[in-house]
Amino acid sequence: QVQLVESGGGVVQPGRSLRLSCAASGFAFSNFAMHWVRQAPGRGLEWVATIWYDGDTQYYAGSVKGRFTISRDNSRKMLSLHMNSLRDDDTALYYCAKDFGHSDYFFDLWGQGALVTVSS
Amino acid sequence: EIVMTQSPATLSVSPGERATLSCRASQTVSSNLAWYQLKPGQAPRLLIYGVSTRATGIPARFSGSGSGTDFTLTISSLQSEDFAVYYCQQYNKWPPWTFGQGTKVEIK
Repeated sequence: QVQLVESGGGVVQPGRSLRLSCAASGFAFSNFAMHWVRQAPGRGLEWVATIWYDGDTQYYAGSVKGRFTISRDNSRKMLSLHMNSLRDDDTALYYCAKDFGHSDYFFDLWGQGALVTVSS
Repeated sequence: EIVMTQSPATLSVSPGERATLSCRASQTVSSNLAWYQLKPGQAPRLLIYGVSTRATGIPARFSGSGSGTDFTLTISSLQSEDFAVYYCQQYNKWPPWTFGQGTKVEIK
């Protein structure tokens, strides 16, 4: 079954850290770039981070650069997002998404999301 | 950064009627434009990419059009399962990948 399943969400205090994971199945994970996208309560979609298929290149939104790290383990078909120095405005539903590939970088498969709540 | 602007914010439509959603880019995105459907509690779903190509399994009542900076998603005859929030996204110039703010299609 082709799917992405996020885990690791929860409630965390401002300034603390959290790690999200995304388990991929049903496709050749190591062939595709992967992305994290979030949706804050009552807001739209915001791209967060991207990692190339081989893990050698990463991109980050300005709002998370220097605080978040995207990584992947192709042998385990896992994508991760390490979030440090969390702020109230990082509260959101975090989706992992698969890239379409073929040099067209849009998102053709999404997980159901992991909820992160930053609150004291 | 390319800013994507969607209109209207909310569209009230009766089942069986046509819905027309607009998306405008602050600069040309060529044909690198996608549409997604979001429903509460579900994974977002890719509907359209390359302006007008339907993703696998997407019904023919969904169609996309436009070029350059102005794009449209049309749902020809709304079904109950189509009431959702729709987002456009550009992938012409990145990072960042940018989305519109969404259009909610609700039952009239």
